[in-house]
Amino acid sequence: KAGVTQTPRYLIKTRGQQVTLSCSPISGHRSVSWYQQTPGQGLQFLFEYFSETQRNKGNFPGRFSGRQFSNSRSEMNVSTLELGDSALYLCASSRTGGNEQFFGPGTRLTVL
Amino acid sequence: GNSVTQMEGPVTLSEEAFLTINCTYTATGYPSLFWYVQYPGEGLQLLLKATKADDKGSNKGFEATYRKETTSFHLEKGSVQVSDSAVYFCALKGDSGGYQKVTFGTGTKLQVIP
Repeated sequence: KAGVTQTPRYLIKTRGQQVTLSCSPISGHRSVSWYQQTPGQGLQFLFEYFSETQRNKGNFPGRFSGRQFSNSRSEMNVSTLELGDSALYLCASSRTGGNEQFFGPGTRLTVL
Repeated sequence: GNSVTQMEGPVTLSEEAFLTINCTYTATGYPSLFWYVQYPGEGLQLLLKATKADDKGSNKGFEATYRKETTSFHLEKGSVQVSDSAVYFCALKGDSGGYQKVTFGTGTKLQVIP
């Protein structure tokens, strides 16, 4: 069974631009969560989607948004990028009712 | 709200030393507890878990016991190897505003030297 995949793996953008990151969960998993990881703040929860609906949201500004498609693939978008958005963005999927999250390798975003 | 507190890193040990990484939590009800590991350049992967009080999770020589009386889930290994060098995250999954939400600690970096 293929693991969680994230594309792209690396991304360089400039301030003010917007970016879209993609996550494909493990086949059969309907829950997808997104996290931002930085050296200073650690691992911070962004949002969780289940069956195309946002079920949970962390404390991030409205510039951060996401969606989930009917095949459970998810995208997150960051608009008007700031230098502080430079981070590793991790996606995790889990099966319905499951406790364990399965993480992808992450997308390393650098904002210049 | 729910929270997880881990010991500050980095932790530097010699090969074959005993490892303890402390983790305590605050949560309502009966959360499930986890340890995840992140190797350089990779995402997190589940190391072990425990879903109820007094459960012991174990994997690859690592162990942690769910202690509800002390709200702790300390990670231990009797003899670490260089290949254990990684960042370790303690986490809980518990009720938060009607939903089951995962909360992570800040991570503890472990460096094992030969």
